[in-house]
Amino acid sequence: DVKVTQSSRYLVKRTGEKVFLECVQDMDHENMFWYRQDPGLGLRLIYFSYDVKMKEKGDIPEGYSVSREKKERFSLILESASTNQTSMYLCATRTDGNEKLFFGSGTQLSVL
Amino acid sequence: KNEVEQSPQNLTAQEGEFITINCSYSVGISALHWLQQHPGGGIVSLFMLSSGKKKHGRLIATINIQEKHSSLHITASHPRDSAVYICAVGSNYQLIWGAGTKLIIKP
Repeated sequence: DVKVTQSSRYLVKRTGEKVFLECVQDMDHENMFWYRQDPGLGLRLIYFSYDVKMKEKGDIPEGYSVSREKKERFSLILESASTNQTSMYLCATRTDGNEKLFFGSGTQLSVL
Repeated sequence: KNEVEQSPQNLTAQEGEFITINCSYSVGISALHWLQQHPGGGIVSLFMLSSGKKKHGRLIATINIQEKHSSLHITASHPRDSAVYICAVGSNYQLIWGAGTKLIIKP
C-alpha cells in the first residue's frame, strides 16, 4: 500500500512564525500536491509538483511556498503565518496518467 | 454556479438502505474521482472513472460522459459507511472538487 506521511497531526503556531509542513511518500510517485480544507468548502489546491525541483501554483498559492528537493518529499512553507491560514492541510500523491490519489492523514494547523 | 455540484449535501438513512449520491459537472474532463473522508480527516480514494461503471464490494460508481453526470451507489448500507463522499473531476494535474455529501447511516 502507498504510504503518505505528514509530519504532524496537530500544530499550533503564532502569527508571524515560519511554519514547515512536511510530506513524505514511499511509492515513487511523480506528482505531489498540497491542499487546504476548510469547513463548507471543497479542497483547494495550494501548490503541486510533477518532478523534483519543479513546482506549479494552484488556486490559492498566496502566503505559501513549497520545496521538492527529493522525489519522496514535498514541503509546504508558510513564510509568515497568519490567522487566516488556520486550516486542515492535506498532502496527496499520484502517479502519471491521472490515476488515483493517495492522501496523508492531514495536519490541523491553528495560527493564534 | 460551481463547476462540480454534488447532491444531496446531507443524507441520513437507515442501515440497509440503498444509497445514491450524485455528481454533475460542467467542464470537459479526462477522469472523475470518488473519495471518502471519515471524521478525523483521512481521505481515501474509492474510484477513478473515465467511462462506464466500476464496482468494489458494496460500492458502485457510474459515469455518463455525454450527460456530465456520475453517481455513487452504496448497497446494503452500514453505519461504518457514514462519512463525507467527495467527487472531483479533472484532467492532467488539476482537479476541481465538489463540496462533498455528508452521509449518516443510522443503525
